[in-house]
Amino acid sequence: AQRVTQPEKLLSVFKGAPVELKCNYSYSGSPELFWYVQYSRQRLQLLLRHISRESIKGFTADLNKGETSFHLKKPFAQEEDSAMYYCALSSEGGSEKLVFGKGTKLTVNP
Amino acid sequence: DGGITQSPKYLFRKEGQNVTLSCEQNLNHDAMYWYRQDPGQGLRLIYYSQIVNDFQKGDIAEGYSVSREKKESFPLTVTSAQKNPTAFYLCASIVNWGSPGELFFGEGSRLTVL
Repeated sequence: AQRVTQPEKLLSVFKGAPVELKCNYSYSGSPELFWYVQYSRQRLQLLLRHISRESIKGFTADLNKGETSFHLKKPFAQEEDSAMYYCALSSEGGSEKLVFGKGTKLTVNP
Repeated sequence: DGGITQSPKYLFRKEGQNVTLSCEQNLNHDAMYWYRQDPGQGLRLIYYSQIVNDFQKGDIAEGYSVSREKKESFPLTVTSAQKNPTAFYLCASIVNWGSPGELFFGEGSRLTVL
């Protein structure tokens, strides 16, 4: 069965510090991994996906199949990065039946 | 302005009553979803629809029902059989089933059972 684990419910860092939000997955095939973000009073939206290998708002995430991880990283956190972050996994092919982690609430302090 | 509209934003219900949450999209997307979001639980899939006139149970379908009579509409009924209905409900859509694209979400509906 597909499973996504985000071990930290809450993560607090200071502005300018590096941030890493952890995501581990369980899936025997070739997964497609995503990070979704929910800013305060905004709808949930896609931040990035591993297949596109982009850097969005300074965030990057590398799929590590050996460690079954897809950690989200940013070298210098900003206050506007404060939000709820969800890691999600899809089986081969696309976004149907995404399985979401329980989320990590990131707070960036001034 | 294209997107997904959920209504109502807030809804109160007495125990034993059914309630229907509306989800409308004008993105011309084939596939639509309903998720339930609880604090500390993340998003859990209730029902999904790959195409009009078709829908499938997700992981937590008990106590819920849906219909997909029109491409743009995917209403969710929370029945009295749902034991713990107080939650935040999210509707989403994607271009088509199997698409590697982005899942678009509505702003959500918060249901409170009194």
